Amino acid sequence: AQSVTQLDSQVPVFEEAPVELRCNYSSSVSVYLFWYVQYPNQGLQLLLKYLSGSTLVESINGFEAEFNKSQTSFHLRKPSVHISDTAEYFCAVALSGTYKYIFGTGTRLKVLA
Amino acid sequence: DTAVSQTPKYLVTQMGNDKSIKCEQNLGHDTMYWYKQDSKKFLKIMFSYNNKELIINETVPNRFSPKSPDKAHLNLHINSLELGDSAVYFCASSQGTSGANEQFFGPGTRLTVL
Repeated sequence: AQSVTQLDSQVPVFEEAPVELRCNYSSSVSVYLFWYVQYPNQGLQLLLKYLSGSTLVESINGFEAEFNKSQTSFHLRKPSVHISDTAEYFCAVALSGTYKYIFGTGTRLKVLA
Repeated sequence: DTAVSQTPKYLVTQMGNDKSIKCEQNLGHDTMYWYKQDSKKFLKIMFSYNNKELIINETVPNRFSPKSPDKAHLNLHINSLELGDSAVYFCASSQGTSGANEQFFGPGTRLTVL
């Protein structure tokens, strides 16, 4: 069965420091990979996605994620975080040819001043 | 100009009651979803409709009944509410049924069953 693991439930980091949020998945078939962000009391918003092609994908607000097929990972990184990045981050997987997302349990990023 | 809207935003009710949550999207999408997010933030799909036809029906008690009157609306009716139904319910929509398509989420409905 397919699954998504986000090992870190909470990541505190100081403002302007780099951060990495980890995501690993298990699947025997091709997948599409997503990172969604949930700000307090809001719905989820797409941050970035990997469908095919270049394994490094970027968002408009400085986040990037790299698809690593051999390690079945899709870690999210940002070189310098801002207070406004404080949110819950969800990794999601959709199997190629299906329409169902499987979400990880989320990582709460808390940026400290 | 809200893309995916849900009503109500908060719902507090007693055990045993019946309640409904409404969802509307103005994105022109043909696929809509209901997710349940529990107290630990775990997000799990419950149902999905494509062109008003049910395509995903996860293991959900049959007290939960979705209804899609048209492509832009997906409602969720819950009978005989239980304490364990307390959660945040999110509606989402996408264009088509490919897993590659982005899902757009509503703001959520926080249901509290007392």
